[in-house]
Amino acid sequence: DGGITQSPKYLFRKEGQNVTLSCEQNLNHDAMYWYRQDPGQGLRLIYYSQIVNDFQKGDIAEGYSVSREKKESFPLTVTSAQKNPTAFYLCASSALGTYTDTQYFGPGTRLTVL
Amino acid sequence: SQKIEQNSEALNIQEGKTATLTCNYTNYSPAYLQWYRQDPGRGPVFLLLIRENEKEKRKERLKVTFDTTLKQSLFHITASQPADSATYLCALRSGSARQLTFGSGTQLTVLP
Repeated sequence: DGGITQSPKYLFRKEGQNVTLSCEQNLNHDAMYWYRQDPGQGLRLIYYSQIVNDFQKGDIAEGYSVSREKKESFPLTVTSAQKNPTAFYLCASSALGTYTDTQYFGPGTRLTVL
Repeated sequence: SQKIEQNSEALNIQEGKTATLTCNYTNYSPAYLQWYRQDPGRGPVFLLLIRENEKEKRKERLKVTFDTTLKQSLFHITASQPADSATYLCALRSGSARQLTFGSGTQLTVLP
């Protein structure tokens, strides 16, 4: 099956710890995205990448970091600098070269800071 | 500033009726608008896209309209079913930006 996988589904972190969320896609998409979703709110863009070894900050990048060493993978690290990290994190991908930028989402990771 | 607003956080309708959800935007000149469905605890799933030069788009029981003068899109589900219960998100891309901006969503509940 083609698609996007995220792991783990649930993640618990103690304050002051860094944690890395995994995102893998086998859709051969060039672009990948990370969003944060809080209850009752829409998706807010954290980082995005359109090509390997390149990425750009989104609207709420502070306290987060990413890497794009492979086309298939776009891990997100939530650092201790992120003041309120408890949220639902969604990874997405899209094919560049199309006009529509339709995004395909993974199942999400729910992060809870204890 | 740019803003996307979706009508009421929650909408309840009776099975068989038509559900109408609204997406309004300000300070955008969108090339197109997309609608997604999100079930609880899951990632959004793409439903429909409508371009700026299109007035209406249909897919099975779904219909989307796009009025760039009113800066509004309407999303209709006809003959609604309890399985249509979900949160529906609209998203905009503006000009050359290769990003989507999402509304906060409308939670639809179809009552049997």
